Amino acid sequence: SQQGEEDPQALSIQEGENATMNCSYKTSINNLQWYRQNSGRGLVHLILIRSNEREKHSGRLRVTLDTSKKSSSLLITASRAADTASYFCATESYNQGGKLIFGQGTELSVKP
Amino acid sequence: ETGVTQSPTHLIKTRGQQVTLRCSSQSGHNTVSWYQQALGQGPQFIFQYYREEENGRGNFPPRFSGLQFPNYSSELNVNALELDDSALYLCASSATGGASAYEQYFGPGTRLTVT
Repeated sequence: SQQGEEDPQALSIQEGENATMNCSYKTSINNLQWYRQNSGRGLVHLILIRSNEREKHSGRLRVTLDTSKKSSSLLITASRAADTASYFCATESYNQGGKLIFGQGTELSVKP
Repeated sequence: ETGVTQSPTHLIKTRGQQVTLRCSSQSGHNTVSWYQQALGQGPQFIFQYYREEENGRGNFPPRFSGLQFPNYSSELNVNALELDDSALYLCASSATGGASAYEQYFGPGTRLTVT
């Protein structure tokens, strides 16, 4: 079963613009992670935010987590054509180390 | 590129057949998790192996089984293949199968097509 719902399902922007993707989940979590997937290949880990954190940055990525609303957002600033990919959020519950529950994903297209 | 490898890359099987997929985990990782990703969907957790023992299972029937070897590599076996088993199968390795949150490293996947 899917834990998260991602919004939007697809996003098309121009290079240089910012891209924001949202994720909602249903149950209490230990952490939430964001992954990128290029063309149906393996997943690349982007960032992990723990349930007691509210915001985290990594390069051009900014992730926020609101546990009261059971939601998270991923912001990619100054997007590049190489950012074109599918982005997934995944949640990990307490005492469920490594057993991720993924959302449906957001397909991002960045046009040069 | 992560240090996780999977074989084969692509596979075509007929309904009713059996298939074995293989995964070599990243050096130093003792936990392997398997996921099934249908086209256009997010990955779904199949099961996890920690130190050669199954350590949790998702909502998949018993015809999905696995093994983990002393070197922490792993196999996913699927018996009596059905058309709906067509998917990308991903394995991920991590440093622990316990309660802690550790980054998982995914392999490139095996694309299985059942005809």
